[in-house]
Amino acid sequence: DAMVIQNPRYQVTQFGKPVTLSCSQTLNHNVMYWYQQKSSQAPKLLFHYYDKDFNNEADTPDNFQSRRPNTSFCFLDIRSPGLGDAAMYLCATSGELAGNLYEQYFGPGTRLTVT
Amino acid sequence: GIQVEQSPPDLILQEGANSTLRCNFSDSVNNLQWFHQNPWGQLINLFYIPSGTKQNGRLSATTVATERYSLLYISSSQTTDSGVYFCAVGENFNKFYFGSGTKLNVKP
Repeated sequence: DAMVIQNPRYQVTQFGKPVTLSCSQTLNHNVMYWYQQKSSQAPKLLFHYYDKDFNNEADTPDNFQSRRPNTSFCFLDIRSPGLGDAAMYLCATSGELAGNLYEQYFGPGTRLTVT
Repeated sequence: GIQVEQSPPDLILQEGANSTLRCNFSDSVNNLQWFHQNPWGQLINLFYIPSGTKQNGRLSATTVATERYSLLYISSSQTTDSGVYFCAVGENFNKFYFGSGTKLNVKP
C-alpha cells in the first residue's frame, strides 16, 4: 500500500543534542510538509517542500531545519532541542493527482521527548 | 491567514447516538479535509470535501463553500469513533489551516 512512513516513532534526546527525524513516502507526491503538534493543540505547519523548493513558515524557529534529498525522503533536523520542542512531529504529503488535488496524507508521527 | 473555528470543542456521546460537528472558515478555500486523530496520534483522512456532500459508511460530510462552513455527521456512534476530529482548509498546496478540533468521547 502507498503510504507515508516516519521513523522513529518515539525519539528521546537530551537538551541541546541535535536530532533528526525522517519521513519517507511511496505516494510519489511532489509536496511534503512537516508539522509540530503539542498536547491538546492543532498541528502547526513548520515548512513544506514543493519539489525541491523549500518554504519556511515565518514563525518557524531557526532551530528547525529540513532536507529533501529526493522525492521520497524528507528530514527534520532540530539543531539544539529545548524542552519546549517536545511534541509530536507529523509528516504529510500531497500531490497533483487526478481527483483530489493536494489532498494531504499524514504519517503516524514521531513523538519527541527532550530530557 | 484563514481563521478556522470548530464546534463543539468537546462532545460526549452514548454509543449509538448521532452527532454533528461543525467547521466554519473565514475565507474562500480550494481544499477542505476532515481528519480523525486516533489515540496514538495518527491523522486519518475522513473526507476531502471542498464542496458538496460525501458519505462513507456511518460518516458523511457536507461543505457549503459559499457560506464557508462544513459539517461532519457521525451516525450510530461507536467507541472506536472516540478521538479528536480536525477540519483543515487551504487555498492551495502551500498552506493549510487547522481548526482547534472537536474532542469526541463515545461511552459504551
